[in-house]
Amino acid sequence: KQEVTQIPAALSVPEGENLVLNCSFTDSAIYNLQWFRQDPGKGLTSLLLIQSSQREQTSGRLNASLDKSSGRSTLYIAASQPGDSATYLCAVTDSWGKLQFGAGTQVVVTP
Amino acid sequence: EPEVTQTPSHQVTQMGQEVILRCVPISNHLYFYWYRQILGQKVEFLVSFYNNEISEKSEIFDDQFSVERPDGSNFTLKIRSTKLEDSAMYFCASSDSGEAAGDTQYFGPGTRLTVL
Repeated sequence: KQEVTQIPAALSVPEGENLVLNCSFTDSAIYNLQWFRQDPGKGLTSLLLIQSSQREQTSGRLNASLDKSSGRSTLYIAASQPGDSATYLCAVTDSWGKLQFGAGTQVVVTP
Repeated sequence: EPEVTQTPSHQVTQMGQEVILRCVPISNHLYFYWYRQILGQKVEFLVSFYNNEISEKSEIFDDQFSVERPDGSNFTLKIRSTKLEDSAMYFCASSDSGEAAGDTQYFGPGTRLTVL
């Protein structure tokens, strides 16, 4: 059974520092991995999707890596801003398209 | 930019009552999903829907739950007889891939269901 774990559960950094968020999964038979942002009481905003054949995906200040064989993905956010404060979720997709989520990392960026 | 919409944003109901949660997926998308998030817990998959039938469902999605695409735009989740433990945020999502697993899923803002 697939298990998705995110470490740390919470992170607080001063503005300008780079953020490193980790995601691990137990079954490497995934089709893709998606990173989301969730603001309190709100829906999920897709940030990046990495196909299982890819090693890396970039969008602006965001960069996500995927090491499928070791069951790990890392989301890097460069030069963090207070507006980056949110909960970040990773989710892996099985062959049917079902997303299985981690519990998230709650990020606070202080001015 | 196209987006997934959900109504209502908040639904309060009495235990044992039926509720219908509504979603309008992005118009050219082919795959539709319902997820839920109980307060303080992970987002959980409920069901996926393609070509007017259920593709996959989780253990949570028992006989009390049903989904329907009554017309070309709406996608609904019905809970026949709500229980206290059904209280959660329910998210609808859609994707446009020809392969279920291949593409980004776009989520709606959610419906907060409170069962009293």
